[in-house]
This record gives sequence, structure tokens and C-alpha cells, in this order.
Amino acid sequence: AQRVTQPEKLLSVFKGAPVELKCNYSYSGSPELFWYVQYSRQRLQLLLRHISRESIKGFTADLNKGETSFHLKKPFAQEEDSAMYYCAPLLRAGSYQLTFGKGTKLSVIP
Amino acid sequence: NAGVTQTPKFRVLKTGQSMTLLCAQDMNHEYMYWYRQDPGMGLRLIHYSVGEGTTAKGEVPDGYNVSRLKKQNFLLGLESAAPSQTSVYFCASGGAGGETQYFGPGTRLLVL
Repeated sequence: AQRVTQPEKLLSVFKGAPVELKCNYSYSGSPELFWYVQYSRQRLQLLLRHISRESIKGFTADLNKGETSFHLKKPFAQEEDSAMYYCAPLLRAGSYQLTFGKGTKLSVIP
Repeated sequence: NAGVTQTPKFRVLKTGQSMTLLCAQDMNHEYMYWYRQDPGMGLRLIHYSVGEGTTAKGEVPDGYNVSRLKKQNFLLGLESAAPSQTSVYFCASGGAGGETQYFGPGTRLLVL
């Protein structure tokens, strides 16, 4: 069964410190991986898509197929990065369902 | 271009009452999804649709029904609401082939 694990419920860092939000997945085949972000009381929005290799708001994520991980990183955290972050592998065929992790709440301390 | 919209934004129901949540998208997407978001649980898929006139069950379908009579609309129904259905409900749409899903603003539902 497909499964995605975000081991940290809450991650607190100081402004300017590096950030790493962990994501491990258990998936058959070669999933496409996404990171979605939800700012306070707002809708979810796409932050990062593995296949596009874009860097959004300074965040990057590298897919490590050997470790089945897709950790999200940013070298210098900003206060506006405080939000809920969800890792989500995409089932490639049929329904194209996203399977969301339980999320990590990032709190950036001024 | 409004993207994905949801109505209502907030609703309070008594146990046993029924209601319908409406999701509308103007991006001509084939795929539409209903999720519920609960604290500590992330988002869980309730039902989805891969095209007009089609629906299928997701991870947590019990107690919900859906319909996709028009391509742009996806309705989520609760026939007999229960307190366990207190949640925030998000609708999403996406193009064919696993394109990015776009989410609505959510509906907060409280069942007393």
C-alpha cells in the first residue's frame, strides 16, 4: 500500500536558520512527488513539484529513490514561511490521486 | 477566472440533518476530488471523479455521496450527518495525466 510519512508534526526554527522538512514514502512504481503548503486559514496551494525542478520561495526538494525520500529544504527561513507543509506522492495511473502525509507545521521564530 | 470555489463556507448541522456541499471549477479540468482535513490526520480522500458522469470511492467514503452531473461541478452530500463528520472539507480539481491539483478555500462543517 502506498504510504507517506512526515515524521515531524511540528518544527520550530529561528529566522535565518536552515529548514529541512522530512518526507519518506512507500510507493510502488515511480511516483511523482509534490509539496503543498497551507498558510493560516487559507487553501492548500502547490509549493513544489518534483518533475519541474523549480525552486519556489527559496525551497527545493531532492528525490532520493534509494532512501525513498523527498525532503524539503530552504537555506534561510523567513517568518512568512510559517505554515503547514504536506508531502504528497501522486498515483500516476487511473485516478491520479494524491496521498497526503499528515503534515508538518513549520513555525519560524523571529 | 475564479479557479475552484466552494459553497457554503461554513455550516452548522444537527445530527441526522442532510446537506450538500458544492464545488465548482472553471479550468475545464477532468478530475475532481473531495477531501476532509482533520487535525493530525492530514487530508484524506473521500470521493473523486475522473470525468462528467463518473464517481469513485476514496479512502474514507462512508457516510458521503457524490455526483458529477456537469463537468464543472462536483457535489458532496451528507444524507444523515454525524458528529464524526465535523471537519473541514476541501474540493480540488486537476487536469488529465496527473497535472497539479488546485484546491478550493474549504468548507467548515460542524455537526452537533
